[in-house]
Amino acid sequence: DVQLVESGGGLVQPGESLRLSCEASEFSFSDFWMTWVRQAPGKGLEWVANIRRDGGQKYYADSAKGRFTISRDNAKNSLFLQMSSLRVEDTATYYCARDRDYRDKNMYYDAYDIWGQGTVVIVSS
Amino acid sequence: AIQMNQSPSSLSASIGDRVTVTCRASQDIRSDLGWYQQKPGRAPKLLIYGASRLQSGVPSRFSGSGSGTYFTLTISSLQPEDSATYYCLQDYDYPRTFGQGTKVEIK
Repeated sequence: DVQLVESGGGLVQPGESLRLSCEASEFSFSDFWMTWVRQAPGKGLEWVANIRRDGGQKYYADSAKGRFTISRDNAKNSLFLQMSSLRVEDTATYYCARDRDYRDKNMYYDAYDIWGQGTVVIVSS
Repeated sequence: AIQMNQSPSSLSASIGDRVTVTCRASQDIRSDLGWYQQKPGRAPKLLIYGASRLQSGVPSRFSGSGSGTYFTLTISSLQPEDSATYYCLQDYDYPRTFGQGTKVEIK
Protein backbone atom coordinates (compact mmCIF):
# COMPACT_ATOMS: atom_id res chain seq x y z
CA ASP A 1 0.00 0.00 0.00
CA VAL A 2 1.05 3.59 -0.56
CA GLN A 3 2.26 4.64 2.85
CA LEU A 4 4.10 7.25 4.87
CA VAL A 5 5.56 6.37 8.26
CA GLU A 6 6.94 9.02 10.59
CA SER A 7 9.45 8.45 13.36
CA GLY A 8 11.80 10.36 15.62
CA GLY A 9 9.37 12.04 17.98
CA GLY A 10 9.95 12.13 21.71
CA LEU A 11 10.33 14.20 24.85
CA VAL A 12 12.96 16.93 24.78
CA GLN A 13 13.76 19.98 26.86
CA PRO A 14 13.35 23.55 25.63
CA GLY A 15 16.31 24.61 23.52
CA GLU A 16 17.15 21.09 22.41
CA SER A 17 17.04 19.62 18.91
CA LEU A 18 15.18 16.72 17.32
CA ARG A 19 15.14 15.16 13.86
CA LEU A 20 11.94 13.71 12.48
CA SER A 21 11.88 11.21 9.63
CA CYS A 22 9.19 10.11 7.24
CA GLU A 23 9.69 7.01 5.12
CA ALA A 24 7.65 6.57 1.97
CA SER A 25 6.71 3.28 0.36
CA GLU A 26 4.92 2.01 -2.72
CA PHE A 27 5.12 5.19 -4.76
CA SER A 28 7.75 7.11 -6.66
CA PHE A 29 8.87 9.41 -3.85
CA SER A 30 11.05 11.63 -6.04
CA ASP A 31 8.02 12.60 -8.17
CA PHE A 32 6.28 14.47 -5.36
CA TRP A 33 6.68 17.58 -3.27
CA MET A 34 6.45 16.65 0.39
CA THR A 35 5.07 18.55 3.38
CA TRP A 36 5.12 18.65 7.18
CA VAL A 37 1.98 19.62 9.09
CA ARG A 38 1.65 19.73 12.86
CA GLN A 39 -1.15 19.76 15.40
CA ALA A 40 -0.75 20.92 18.98
CA PRO A 41 -2.80 19.00 21.55
CA GLY A 42 -6.47 19.90 21.20
CA LYS A 43 -5.73 22.47 18.49
CA GLY A 44 -6.09 22.78 14.75
CA LEU A 45 -3.76 21.89 11.92
CA GLU A 46 -0.73 24.08 11.19
CA TRP A 47 1.29 23.90 7.98
CA VAL A 48 5.02 23.79 8.78
CA ALA A 49 7.13 23.38 5.63
CA ASN A 50 7.37 21.75 2.23
CA ILE A 51 10.09 20.76 -0.20
CA ARG A 52 10.31 20.34 -3.95
CA ARG A 53 10.85 16.99 -5.62
CA ASP A 54 14.61 17.51 -6.01
CA GLY A 55 15.03 19.30 -2.69
CA GLY A 56 15.99 22.52 -4.47
CA GLN A 57 13.11 24.64 -3.18
CA LYS A 58 11.75 24.86 0.34
CA TYR A 59 9.09 26.94 2.06
CA TYR A 60 8.50 27.45 5.77
CA ALA A 61 5.87 28.79 8.12
CA ASP A 62 7.01 31.84 10.04
CA SER A 63 6.98 29.73 13.22
CA ALA A 64 9.55 27.38 11.64
CA LYS A 65 11.84 29.79 9.82
CA GLY A 66 15.36 29.86 11.16
CA ARG A 67 14.81 26.92 13.53
CA PHE A 68 13.51 24.07 11.37
CA THR A 69 15.08 22.62 8.23
CA ILE A 70 13.21 20.36 5.83
CA SER A 71 15.23 17.98 3.67
CA ARG A 72 14.86 14.75 1.75
CA ASP A 73 16.87 11.79 0.52
CA ASN A 74 15.23 10.47 -2.62
CA ALA A 75 17.55 7.47 -2.76
CA LYS A 76 16.16 6.39 0.61
CA ASN A 77 12.57 7.53 -0.02
CA SER A 78 12.80 9.65 3.09
CA LEU A 79 11.74 13.09 4.25
CA PHE A 80 13.23 14.83 7.28
CA LEU A 81 12.53 17.73 9.59
CA GLN A 82 15.47 18.94 11.65
CA MET A 83 14.13 20.98 14.54
CA SER A 84 16.41 23.08 16.73
CA SER A 85 15.93 25.59 19.54
CA LEU A 86 12.72 23.80 20.39
CA ARG A 87 10.08 25.66 22.40
CA VAL A 88 7.22 24.47 24.56
CA GLU A 89 4.84 25.68 21.85
CA ASP A 90 6.40 23.24 19.35
CA THR A 91 4.73 20.41 21.27
CA ALA A 92 2.52 18.70 18.70
CA THR A 93 1.86 15.68 16.57
CA TYR A 94 3.87 16.08 13.38
CA TYR A 95 2.49 14.63 10.16
CA CYS A 96 4.22 14.21 6.85
CA ALA A 97 2.05 14.36 3.75
CA ARG A 98 2.41 13.80 0.03
CA ASP A 99 1.68 16.85 -2.08
CA ARG A 100 -0.02 15.62 -5.20
CA ASP A 101 -0.61 17.65 -8.35
CA TYR A 102 -4.03 17.27 -9.92
CA ARG A 103 -4.76 18.36 -13.46
CA ASP A 104 -8.27 19.39 -14.51
CA LYS A 105 -8.42 20.60 -18.11
CA ASN A 106 -5.76 23.32 -18.20
CA MET A 107 -5.72 23.96 -14.47
CA TYR A 108 -3.46 22.42 -11.88
CA TYR A 109 -4.29 21.99 -8.23
CA ASP A 110 -2.35 20.48 -5.41
CA ALA A 111 -3.52 18.77 -2.26
CA TYR A 112 -2.22 16.44 0.41
CA ASP A 113 -3.56 13.05 -0.60
CA ILE A 114 -1.47 10.70 1.55
CA TRP A 115 -0.66 11.29 5.23
CA GLY A 116 1.43 9.47 7.77
CA GLN A 117 0.09 8.44 11.16
CA GLY A 118 2.02 11.19 12.93
CA THR A 119 4.84 11.32 15.45
CA VAL A 120 4.51 13.08 18.79
CA VAL A 121 6.97 15.73 19.93
CA ILE A 122 6.80 16.98 23.51
CA VAL A 123 8.93 19.91 24.56
CA SER A 124 8.95 20.26 28.30
CA SER A 125 11.35 20.90 31.15
CA ALA B 1 -0.04 35.41 5.21
CA ILE B 2 -3.50 34.61 3.87
CA GLN B 3 -6.01 34.22 6.68
CA MET B 4 -8.66 31.51 6.39
CA ASN B 5 -11.74 32.20 8.49
CA GLN B 6 -13.80 29.05 8.91
CA SER B 7 -17.27 28.88 10.40
CA PRO B 8 -18.98 27.68 12.42
CA SER B 9 -16.45 26.35 14.90
CA SER B 10 -18.85 23.54 15.74
CA LEU B 11 -22.28 22.29 14.82
CA SER B 12 -24.65 19.54 15.80
CA ALA B 13 -26.97 17.98 13.25
CA SER B 14 -29.16 14.92 12.83
CA ILE B 15 -28.63 11.96 10.55
CA GLY B 16 -29.84 12.86 7.09
CA ASP B 17 -29.46 16.62 7.58
CA ARG B 18 -27.76 18.84 5.06
CA VAL B 19 -24.68 20.42 6.62
CA THR B 20 -22.67 23.36 5.32
CA VAL B 21 -19.29 24.65 6.48
CA THR B 22 -17.87 27.88 5.14
CA CYS B 23 -14.36 29.23 4.67
CA ARG B 24 -13.50 32.82 3.80
CA ALA B 25 -10.07 33.83 2.56
CA SER B 26 -8.54 37.21 3.35
CA GLN B 27 -7.70 37.63 -0.33
CA ASP B 28 -8.56 36.10 -3.69
CA ILE B 29 -7.23 32.53 -3.83
CA ARG B 30 -8.96 31.53 -7.08
CA SER B 31 -9.99 27.87 -6.59
CA ASP B 32 -6.85 26.86 -4.72
CA LEU B 33 -8.59 25.36 -1.72
CA GLY B 34 -8.93 21.90 -0.25
CA TRP B 35 -11.12 20.37 2.42
CA TYR B 36 -9.89 17.77 4.90
CA GLN B 37 -11.67 15.56 7.40
CA GLN B 38 -10.02 14.52 10.64
CA LYS B 39 -11.34 12.03 13.16
CA PRO B 40 -9.96 11.91 16.73
CA GLY B 41 -6.53 10.32 16.92
CA ARG B 42 -6.29 9.98 13.16
CA ALA B 43 -4.46 11.77 10.38
CA PRO B 44 -6.41 14.17 8.18
CA LYS B 45 -8.03 12.82 5.03
CA LEU B 46 -8.42 14.71 1.77
CA LEU B 47 -12.04 15.18 0.68
CA ILE B 48 -12.02 17.98 -1.90
CA TYR B 49 -9.29 19.68 -3.93
CA GLY B 50 -9.48 22.63 -6.29
CA ALA B 51 -12.47 23.91 -4.29
CA SER B 52 -14.99 21.55 -5.88
CA ARG B 53 -13.23 18.42 -7.10
CA LEU B 54 -14.03 15.23 -5.22
CA GLN B 55 -11.06 13.10 -4.23
CA SER B 56 -11.27 9.55 -5.50
CA GLY B 57 -13.06 7.25 -3.08
CA VAL B 58 -14.83 10.02 -1.16
CA PRO B 59 -18.62 9.58 -0.95
CA SER B 60 -20.62 11.78 -3.30
CA ARG B 61 -22.60 13.29 -0.41
CA PHE B 62 -19.56 15.54 0.07
CA SER B 63 -19.29 18.52 -2.25
CA GLY B 64 -17.37 21.76 -2.39
CA SER B 65 -18.08 25.04 -4.07
CA GLY B 66 -16.81 28.58 -4.32
CA SER B 67 -13.94 30.57 -5.72
CA GLY B 68 -12.15 33.79 -4.93
CA THR B 69 -12.68 34.39 -1.22
CA TYR B 70 -15.78 32.38 -0.30
CA PHE B 71 -15.96 28.59 -0.16
CA THR B 72 -18.34 25.98 1.20
CA LEU B 73 -18.19 22.31 2.06
CA THR B 74 -21.57 20.59 2.02
CA ILE B 75 -22.58 17.19 3.30
CA SER B 76 -25.89 16.50 1.57
CA SER B 77 -27.14 13.83 3.96
CA LEU B 78 -25.20 13.53 7.21
CA GLN B 79 -24.15 10.01 8.18
CA PRO B 80 -22.88 8.72 11.55
CA GLU B 81 -19.36 8.26 10.15
CA ASP B 82 -19.21 11.94 9.20
CA SER B 83 -18.72 12.94 12.84
CA ALA B 84 -15.30 14.63 12.61
CA THR B 85 -13.52 17.95 12.40
CA TYR B 86 -13.28 19.55 8.98
CA TYR B 87 -10.56 21.94 7.84
CA CYS B 88 -10.08 24.09 4.77
CA LEU B 89 -6.56 24.74 3.44
CA GLN B 90 -5.49 27.35 0.92
CA ASP B 91 -2.76 26.28 -1.49
CA TYR B 92 -2.64 29.54 -3.43
CA ASP B 93 0.34 31.08 -1.67
CA TYR B 94 3.00 30.44 0.94
CA PRO B 95 2.78 29.93 3.78
CA ARG B 96 -0.12 27.56 3.32
CA THR B 97 -2.83 28.24 5.89
CA PHE B 98 -5.62 26.15 7.37
CA GLY B 99 -8.96 27.30 8.67
CA GLN B 100 -9.55 26.93 12.40
CA GLY B 101 -11.65 23.80 11.93
CA THR B 102 -15.33 22.90 12.27
CA LYS B 103 -16.33 20.10 14.60
CA VAL B 104 -19.40 18.26 13.31
CA GLU B 105 -21.32 16.25 15.86
CA ILE B 106 -24.32 13.99 15.44
CA LYS B 107 -27.40 14.82 17.52
